[in-house]
This record gives sequence, structure tokens and C-alpha cells, in this order.
Amino acid sequence: EPEVTQTPSHQVTQMGQEVILRCVPISNHLYFYWYRQILGQKVEFLVSFYNNEISEKSEIFDDQFSVERPDGSNFTLKIRSTKLEDSAMYFCASSRGLRGSNQPQHFGDGTRLSIL
Amino acid sequence: GQNIDQPTEMTATEGAIVQINCTYQTSGFNGLFWYQQHAGEAPTFLSYNVLDGLEEKGRFSSFLSRSKGYSYLLLKELQMKDSASYLCAVRNDYKLSFGAGTTVTVRA
Repeated sequence: EPEVTQTPSHQVTQMGQEVILRCVPISNHLYFYWYRQILGQKVEFLVSFYNNEISEKSEIFDDQFSVERPDGSNFTLKIRSTKLEDSAMYFCASSRGLRGSNQPQHFGDGTRLSIL
Repeated sequence: GQNIDQPTEMTATEGAIVQINCTYQTSGFNGLFWYQQHAGEAPTFLSYNVLDGLEEKGRFSSFLSRSKGYSYLLLKELQMKDSASYLCAVRNDYKLSFGAGTTVTVRA
């Protein structure tokens, strides 16, 4: 069964450094998402991406965050200047359809980001 | 705003049935999803409801009442591997808003 893949599985970065998290969504999916989950807390939406542009973002997704689909397969999340509070598990997800369809969002295994 | 409530923890015996309730108050509604999440792993899709009623998928069933803002996930014939967190999530436009999850512990 096709799956969403994320790299790296664990990233350790010094505070203030830039970090790029990478994702390869399922190949026939059109909608891409990033979520994060701080340890012991609920999963939180960051951003959705469709047709090469951001379709929706949360208040968490401020100017320090950006997303890009640099080629036909990768989808990346960049954090420009990391803060301690950015430490979390970051999940990439993708879905084939959206409204009016029953297409679920499929999640990757996540990247655990640790800011020191 | 989004408010999604579910119990924090439930315990049940292997072979039994457990029902996990979820109530929601959200600014929009395009469907309700249930996900299973084992510790340190990704959420895995279990079921979806957009219309009122019951959806059955093997040992798992999910129910929705949109007028009541209420859903439940029913897990039958519990197995030890069902010990996990179960997440209720409401879709509004593009995003999923998640509840905090219900940790289910299955005992022998």
C-alpha cells in the first residue's frame, strides 16, 4: 500500500538554526499538509498546500515557516530560525480529494525535531 | 473556534467492546474522522462520517449525529494490539482539527 514518507526521522538542531523537513506524499494525491504534535499534546494543523500554493494556514504558521514543492514528488517544511518551542513531532499528510469526497488524510511516520 | 472533547482514558478487557465518545463545536464541518495512534507513531485512518448514521468497518464502527455535534467509535472484540490513542478529528475546509485523544488500554 502506498504511503507518505518523511525524512529524517529525527533532527537535532541548535536554536536559531534553519531546518528543512522533507516529505514524499502518496503519488496520486493532490493535497498536502503539515501538522505538529508537541509531546503529550494534541495534533495541531500547520498548513495545507494545493496546486502549488498555500490553501490554508494556522496561527502557528508564522513568517518563520515556509513550505515548498520543489519538484513533482517532494514537499518540504522550512523553519527559518528555530526556537525551543518548535521541538515537536512534525507530520506530513496527503489526500487525494477534499470537499465532497471521503478521502482521508494519510500521515507519514513523522520527524521528531529537537531544538537545543 | 474549534472545541473537540473526548475522554482522556478508557480501560477494557480483551474480547470486550469499548465505545469512545466525541463531542464537537466547530465553526465549520466537512466530516468527522477517527484515527488510531500508537505511542511515537503516526495517526492511522480508521473511519469517516459525513452523514448521520453508522459506518461499519470490520471490528470498528463509527456513528455521527450532526445535530447533536456527537460521534462515537465502537471497537468490538478488543485485542491487545488495540491498546492505543484514538483521535477524533473534524475537517473544516482543508484542515483537520483534532481532539486530545482517548488512550485505550486493553487488559488480558
